[in-house]
Parts: sequence; structure tokens; C-alpha cells
Amino acid sequence: GQQLNQSPQSMFIQEGEDVSMNCTSSSIFNTWLWYKQEPGEGPVLLIALYKAGELTSNGRLTAQFGITRKDSFLNISASIPSDVGIYFCAGRDQGAQKLVFGQGTRLTINP
Amino acid sequence: DGGITQSPKYLFRKEGQNVTLSCEQNLNHDAMYWYRQDPGQGLRLIYYSQIVNDFQKGDIAEGYSVSREKKESFPLTVTSAQKNPTAFYLCASSIRWTDYGYTFGSGTRLTVV
Repeated sequence: GQQLNQSPQSMFIQEGEDVSMNCTSSSIFNTWLWYKQEPGEGPVLLIALYKAGELTSNGRLTAQFGITRKDSFLNISASIPSDVGIYFCAGRDQGAQKLVFGQGTRLTINP
Repeated sequence: DGGITQSPKYLFRKEGQNVTLSCEQNLNHDAMYWYRQDPGQGLRLIYYSQIVNDFQKGDIAEGYSVSREKKESFPLTVTSAQKNPTAFYLCASSIRWTDYGYTFGSGTRLTVV
């Protein structure tokens, strides 16, 4: 099945730093989603994007639907310890019905 | 409170045995899904059900089976035919098949010993 290319695979940052991660696809997507998974739990939806160029915020999190419709970005500002976890992008291309997930970005924060 | 309950949280299985993972939701969602998660990989779709009494194979269905006899329940059986069953299994649901606001359970970690 199709997979998304998510980067970086892992990040080690200091508390208070900003974080950026992205996701790319080989095909055009019409929906992009960002999820967060904490250890031993299921993913939780953070932000959903439905239009090219759309920029949406959820607190300190901001995500964008790329203009080319083949990528999406997630930024976290002023990171705090509870931001630790694995962040997944997910999306659906025009020809498919199923949601496809990226490999995840593991975020570790040093206090 | 509404949600998805997966049980058990941890499961150990001997090689050659079948095992069934439970997934129950009280959200009145039509669609339900089973994903497998391995370290360093994204979530891979095993089976999905758009509506009760219907289910479809996902990307990695070999060695797995499901049933959807009740709207609330979508159990997954990992059979002895699954070559590498040790993984973290996640169940999810959504209001409709076309709705991407999936609600996930807390997962079941299956280990073959």
C-alpha cells in the first residue's frame, strides 16, 4: 500500500524550542491530518486540513496543507514536556478511499 | 463517557495458537478499523468495516480475520498463519466511512513467545 514520507524520524530538543516536521506524498492528496500518539496509547487527532494552502492552528500547533497538495507541515511553538510523543501525518489521495499514515516523528524534549 | 475499549492491554501467545483481540465502541460509529503498528513504521491497515455485517481487507490482511456482527464490536483474530504477529494493534472507529476523524483505542500489545 501507499505510504507517506515523514521527516524527521526523530527529534531531540530543549524545552522552549520550536519544532517543525513535514510529510510528503508522491500523489496529490485532498485531505491531510496530523495525529499525536503518547506511549502505550492510541493516536489522537490534532489538526485536519481539507484545502490546498490551508493553515490551521490548535493552540501552539500549526499545520499547513501544501500548495502542491503533495505535502503538509506541522509546527509546534515553545515546546513543553507534555509535547513528547510520536506525531503522525495521515492523508487520502484522490484515487483512494483509505487513510494512509506516515512513519511518525518521535519527539523527545530535554527539560 | 463514550469511547473505544480494547482488551486485553497485553497478550502473550504461543506459536501456532490463534488469539482474538477485542474492540468495543459506544460512540454509535458506523465504521471501524484495525491497524498494526511496528517500531519505526506507520500504521498499516489490516481490516476495515464500513457498516455492520460488512468488512473489507486492508493492506496486510493475510493471517488475520474479523467479524462485524454487532455495530459496537469488531474483534480481530490473529491466526497461526500470521508469520510475524508480535506488534501493537490499534482499533479505531469513525462516524462514517468517509469521516477521517478517527477515534482510536488504547491498543493491545501482542507478543508471541
